[in-house]
Amino acid sequence: GAGVSQSPSNKVTEKGKDVELRCDPISGHTALYWYRQSLGQGLEFLIYFQGNSAPDKSGLPSDRFSAERTGGSVSTLTIQRTQQEDSAVYLCASPLLGEDYGYTFGSGTRLTVV
Amino acid sequence: RKEVEQDPGPFNVPEGATVAFNCTYSNSASQSFFWYRQDCRKEPKLLMSVYSSGNEDGRFTAQLNRASQYISLLIRDSKLSDSATYLCVVKVLRGGSQGNLIFGKGTKLSVKP
Repeated sequence: GAGVSQSPSNKVTEKGKDVELRCDPISGHTALYWYRQSLGQGLEFLIYFQGNSAPDKSGLPSDRFSAERTGGSVSTLTIQRTQQEDSAVYLCASPLLGEDYGYTFGSGTRLTVV
Repeated sequence: RKEVEQDPGPFNVPEGATVAFNCTYSNSASQSFFWYRQDCRKEPKLLMSVYSSGNEDGRFTAQLNRASQYISLLIRDSKLSDSATYLCVVKVLRGGSQGNLIFGKGTKLSVKP
């Protein structure tokens, strides 16, 4: 597509449940990034994909978090056994034109763990 | 020390004012620099890239001082629509990857009539 699409836009889940967040990046873009933004906080890097591989997953906060990308396009971020501290907005980004032009973000998934 | 630090704000200014935001970064290997704008409950959007020679886009001027590891954004003749949070962003290479963007926590600007 023309932009970065994320779904769902909002997700409320019970503590302990698993959730899947989806990102559909700009068509043809091989790089894809996941960030999260907790209330009142800055954006926190989670993981970077180049094609289907993840050269940098250093930002994943725990082993409850995982991500995959298939076909070099759609990516799924999975959080297992959700905790209240996982509540945040999860943002996906594609580079604009070249890497030196910054990234464009999807509108995010607002996750609330109750 | 945080990788990217900004004035916490908030900055409350009248319409027409000139306002300046400052930012410092800790990693001298940082490669690219940006200012993003984030409206309430929205995703960040690229405002402008920042170059060592300084660059201007209308009422917005960005400066980079690599020696001091300092970035600035100047907004002239501020408008009500400039009210937002301004994020200072640097790109850092890590390991064998292409690098990723490191975001400051942002400075909130509120422009009043």
